[in-house]
Amino acid sequence: AQTVTQSQPEMSVQEAETVTLSCTYDTSESDYYLFWYKQPPSRQMILVIRQEAYKQQNATENRFSVNFQKAAKSFSLKISDSQLGDAAMYFCASNNAGNMLTFGGGTRLMVKP
Amino acid sequence: DAGVIQSPRHEVTEMGQEVTLRCKPISGHDYLFWYRQTMMRGLELLIYFNNNVPIDDSGMPEDRFSAKMPNASFSTLKIQPSEPRDSAVYFCASSFGTEDSTDTQYFGPGTRLTVL
Repeated sequence: AQTVTQSQPEMSVQEAETVTLSCTYDTSESDYYLFWYKQPPSRQMILVIRQEAYKQQNATENRFSVNFQKAAKSFSLKISDSQLGDAAMYFCASNNAGNMLTFGGGTRLMVKP
Repeated sequence: DAGVIQSPRHEVTEMGQEVTLRCKPISGHDYLFWYRQTMMRGLELLIYFNNNVPIDDSGMPEDRFSAKMPNASFSTLKIQPSEPRDSAVYFCASSFGTEDSTDTQYFGPGTRLTVL
């Protein structure tokens, strides 16, 4: 079975600074996708960024970037220039050949003004 | 695009009643997923459809839960009879996909279900 682990239940960052959220996963698949979703208090699950496992280049979306270490099965999310609106739950997820997303337990990010 | 649409956004019902949750996927997406989110178990996949056909329902907790997708633009998740432990947020998501892999899943706003 595929597993996704987020070892940090809670993180905090000062506004305008940088924070990194950790994620590790376990899969026997050779081709898969990895995702970070953001869930603000509104409960909406919002895609932040995705990474295709066969691509070596780390994905970047504006202030959000990932550090994808395939051999280590690590997929961390870096948020630069943190903003108050970044405060939310962040979920790491991976899919497998069965098209099913497996989610980590989530990391609650607090942003201090 | 309007995104994935779910209704109702909130549902409060009494134990034993039937509950029906509704979902309209993004037009053109051929995969539809139902998830449940609870504090205890996190996000769990309940069932997913490809081209309106149920592919994997191994996450459906028990026979009280059923899901249908009568056409490409509509799906329902029904709980009958409902129990307090069914209280959760239920998400619908949709995506493009192939037989081997799906593209990014886009989520609806969720339905918060409370069973008293």
